[in-house]
Amino acid sequence: EVQLLESGGGLVQPGGSLRLSCAASGFIFSNYVMTWVRQAPGKGLEWVSSIDDGSGHGTYYTESVKGRFTISRDKSKNTLNLQMNSLRAEDTAVYYCAKGCLGRNYGMDVRGQGTTVTVSS
Amino acid sequence: QSVLTQPPSVSAAPGQKVTISCSGSSSNVGNNYVSWYQQLPRTAPKLLIYDNNKRPSGIPDRFSGSKSGTSATLGITGLQTGDEADYYCGTWDSSLIAGVFGGGTKVTVL
Repeated sequence: EVQLLESGGGLVQPGGSLRLSCAASGFIFSNYVMTWVRQAPGKGLEWVSSIDDGSGHGTYYTESVKGRFTISRDKSKNTLNLQMNSLRAEDTAVYYCAKGCLGRNYGMDVRGQGTTVTVSS
Repeated sequence: QSVLTQPPSVSAAPGQKVTISCSGSSSNVGNNYVSWYQQLPRTAPKLLIYDNNKRPSGIPDRFSGSKSGTSATLGITGLQTGDEADYYCGTWDSSLIAGVFGGGTKVTVL
């Protein structure tokens, strides 16, 4: 069974940093593109970032996080990461990791419950 | 303003059918696979449809997806109270080089 377990969320001041992690199991992690999406309170889903399968050389970001967020993957630990720097109030959201990628075969499958990031002073 | 356009809400009586549209362009819906997500209140989104019209195992055949040109549609037949949720379409935009979602559609069972 596919399982994705997000962690690392919390309360951080504007300008601060957080590192989110997602532990993957139940599938061959290195074979899949992985994705982070988020949902601000009372708002819709927003795609944040995706990373190519294999070594993860290809990375993609929504415009508002470019230069501040870095997605990475550790195939030895089957873990997806999101390093978030220079956090802003508008980054406050529940962050979900997902197996796969929007627009590609098999779509993007969210399996975890998400981790909450609150950016506030 | 979402790249993909969905109606904010649809409603119908139990047992009836609803359809939710997802309108985009050639750079997204027109040339990439569309997937649909159901988000029940206070839960994570759940994959309902992938590759325009395929259902993951465990998703009942009351849910169906289709795509024509730059528009996609989610259909729900035999509407149940448990179907009350927000529904989102999503795909990749080859011009933006980014994933995109619709703004979401709230389904209400009257």
